[in-house]
Amino acid sequence: AQTVTQSQPEMSVQEAETVTLSCTYDTSENNYYLFWYKQPPSRQMILVIRQEAYKQQNATENRFSVNFQKAAKSFSLKISDSQLGDTAMYFCAFGHTGNQFYFGTGTSLTVIP
Amino acid sequence: DAGVTQSPTHLIKTRGQHVTLRCSPISGHKSVSWYQQVLGQGPQFIFQYYEKEERGRGNFPDRFSARQFPNYSSELNVNALLLGDSALYLCASSSWQGTGSSQQFFGPGTRLTVL
Repeated sequence: AQTVTQSQPEMSVQEAETVTLSCTYDTSENNYYLFWYKQPPSRQMILVIRQEAYKQQNATENRFSVNFQKAAKSFSLKISDSQLGDTAMYFCAFGHTGNQFYFGTGTSLTVIP
Repeated sequence: DAGVTQSPTHLIKTRGQHVTLRCSPISGHKSVSWYQQVLGQGPQFIFQYYEKEERGRGNFPDRFSARQFPNYSSELNVNALLLGDSALYLCASSSWQGTGSSQQFFGPGTRLTVL
């Protein structure tokens, strides 16, 4: 069974600063995918970034980047130059070849002006 | 292009009743998944359908069922509602075609309250 753990229920960051959200997972599979989703207060889930496990290079999307450590089963999200619009719940998710996603419990991020 | 749509937005039911939730995927997407998100938790996988066939089922009781129609829209049915079924039900569609993993696009959800 796949499990995803987010150990930081709440975090805050000053506007324009950098923050890192943690995620660990457990799986016996070798081919899988990892995702960070954002769920603003309006509740629609939006993909932030995606990482294929077979790729060694960490994914980046503008201000968002990940630190993927496959051996440690760790997948953290770094948000640079934080903006007020980044305030949301962030979910780490694991997907495998069946495309069934397993989510962590989320981290509530607040960007402080 | 329209995103994933779900109806209704909100629903209030009483224990023991039945409920049907509906989802329309993004045009061209043939895979639809359903998730239950209890307040304060991450989404939990319920079902996945691809080309009108069930391709995955999460750890939910038989009171939960779903189906996918020829136009790839989907319904989630829950019988004999319990208070614990109160949650946000999310539908997600993807361009997944049977292998690998594809980004899932989520709808706004249906908020179900069971009294």
